[in-house]
Amino acid sequence: QKEVEQNSGPLSVPEGAIASLNCTYSDRGSQSFFWYRQYSGKSPELIMSIYSNGDKEDGRFTAQLNKASQYVSLLIRDSQPSDSATYLCAVITYTGRRALTFGSGTRLQVQP
Amino acid sequence: GAGVSQSPSNKVTEKGKDVELRCDPISGHTALYWYRQSLGQGLEFLIYFQGNSAPDKSGLPSDRFSAERTGGSVSTLTIQRTQQEDSAVYLCASSDGGAVDTQYFGPGTRLTVL
Repeated sequence: QKEVEQNSGPLSVPEGAIASLNCTYSDRGSQSFFWYRQYSGKSPELIMSIYSNGDKEDGRFTAQLNKASQYVSLLIRDSQPSDSATYLCAVITYTGRRALTFGSGTRLQVQP
Repeated sequence: GAGVSQSPSNKVTEKGKDVELRCDPISGHTALYWYRQSLGQGLEFLIYFQGNSAPDKSGLPSDRFSAERTGGSVSTLTIQRTQQEDSAVYLCASSDGGAVDTQYFGPGTRLTVL
């Protein structure tokens, strides 16, 4: 079982719709959770971080964390073609090393 | 403010040669990380420096890989006797090393071993 799992996609949504990206993780000791966006040929760019159960909103983005279910999600409201990218879920487990463990990413396509 | 910088942006080398990749972290960041991203492998951790502590080298794939961080700032990742499987994008990230430890990535170095 992979430590951080994501559906590779592509996830295709029409412009203006809500895109929902999901991630599960295996280590219950995980403490910090991050969503990065990566455009083709570019490096990962931080979108959201979340540490406590519940929702965290930042503009069009909402991160949701459920530690009991070991589940993290990212919602993108009013999706735009410029949101088309690969979204990487990353986790830090402080019981181990402090490096990020990444999922394989979900490719999002927003259709104009 | 200035972000993480890396050089060179692209490096093409021949199999068996040594290469050095450089990372300059965000000013004031005490933690520095190296990752590698290759097709079909995703993003994988290589090495982590935090202040003056001994580095966490647990992600280095072989003893051909080494890294150092001078003066708590700039870091150099060295790959000796490069192999074709070393071809990847090498990414550096830095953080303030605090409890939150949000990592910010540089633009990466694309390494191609012929």
